[in-house]
Amino acid sequence: QSALTQPASVSGSPGQSITISCTGTSSDVGGYNSVSWYQQHPAKAPKLLLFDVSNRPSGVSDRFSGSKSGNTASLTISGLQADDEAHYYCTSYTTSRTRVFGGGTKLTVL
Amino acid sequence: EVQLEQSGTEVRKPGTTVKISCKVSTSTFSDAYMHWVQQAPGKGLEWMGLVDPEDGDTLYAERFQGRVSITADTSTDTVYMALSDLRSGDTAIYFCARAPKTLGTFDYWGQGTLVTVSS
Repeated sequence: QSALTQPASVSGSPGQSITISCTGTSSDVGGYNSVSWYQQHPAKAPKLLLFDVSNRPSGVSDRFSGSKSGNTASLTISGLQADDEAHYYCTSYTTSRTRVFGGGTKLTVL
Repeated sequence: EVQLEQSGTEVRKPGTTVKISCKVSTSTFSDAYMHWVQQAPGKGLEWMGLVDPEDGDTLYAERFQGRVSITADTSTDTVYMALSDLRSGDTAIYFCARAPKTLGTFDYWGQGTLVTVSS
């Protein structure tokens, strides 16, 4: 199972919006609405931001939103804040019942 | 709130086996799959496998198949991950993560356990 494809890095200024893509295949992202997004700050465990493409767990800011089209899912962060600077990972369920992560995207807030 | 408490740092020689534990503080241990995720230094997350504590059923990533074993002890609400035939490339932080059967994704994570493989 190959890793999902994410851009290695994205950047934006405070207050701006950015979008991170996550591209897979019809065997994972395209085949299921089971895409999740995680935020990971240095030396910390990942934190769940979105599940089932666009659902936010309790306590997660509505500045984080998600969508999916075909084999590509996207995470949008609006109103960028300094604390949003972190790594972001997507993950998907697969036809083999396994899970697969994206390679991760480093977000820099300028 | 659910808490996942992992065992401490491990150092092993190549070719040996390491076994890490993850104790789950919850009254619904069998209502979630327990997963393990590897993160090599400066690298991304890689899914290793899962166990269903209810029946012990397991599923492993192809890359780790044959070297990894994930088990669950329902008497202590603890999950274990054993990785054998260790090599330098296994040096990483290993996270346990809970995925409720009604949710399908990882909602709570352990703090991570550093495993260093060095001769």
